[in-house]
Amino acid sequence: SQQGEEDPQALSIQEGENATMNCSYKTSINNLQWYRQNSGRGLVHLILIRSNEREKHSGRLRVTLDTSKKSSSLLITASRAADTASYFCATGSTGANSKLTFGKGITLSVRP
Amino acid sequence: DTAVSQTPKYLVTQMGNDKSIKCEQNLGHDTMYWYKQDSKKFLKIMFSYNNKELIINETVPNRFSPKSPDKAHLNLHINSLELGDSAVYFCASSQRVSGRTDTQYFGPGTRLTVL
Repeated sequence: SQQGEEDPQALSIQEGENATMNCSYKTSINNLQWYRQNSGRGLVHLILIRSNEREKHSGRLRVTLDTSKKSSSLLITASRAADTASYFCATGSTGANSKLTFGKGITLSVRP
Repeated sequence: DTAVSQTPKYLVTQMGNDKSIKCEQNLGHDTMYWYKQDSKKFLKIMFSYNNKELIINETVPNRFSPKSPDKAHLNLHINSLELGDSAVYFCASSQRVSGRTDTQYFGPGTRLTVL
């Protein structure tokens, strides 16, 4: 069953603006990851945040995790046209056969 | 120096045929996965192998049979293809850490179209 639910489903912004994408989930997690998918390509890992972390940065990316609200947000600062892609959150489960469960994705369009 | 590669990239076939998709990773990872992405971009795990052993087998028709000849390869064979099998199939790999799921590396995908 689907775990992550991203919000909004689509986002269109001007180059230079910040983009904020949200993800909510339902069950306990070990970590939460964000991936990017350019049109017609495979998914590329962006950032991983563990369940005992609250915030993480990587370049222009900032991820927050609120386990009490079962939600995460991905902020891309100073967006570029090359950031145009679909973004997916994925929750990592715990246990012997842990796996990633992906949300439906957010389509981000950055206008030059 | 491709990390995770899949062949073929595109596969167009008739209903009822049998086809295979191959995946190879050169990252030295011990775990490999098959995912299916539908037309709405929803990505769902199908199978996972760790050191050639099947560890995840989601609710997938038994027409789909994965095979892992070694840690670096995971192939997917599909029998009696149906229209609903049309999708993009992604292979991925990771290094398994006990009790958790870490970063996965994805291949470029195989777009399967069943006519």
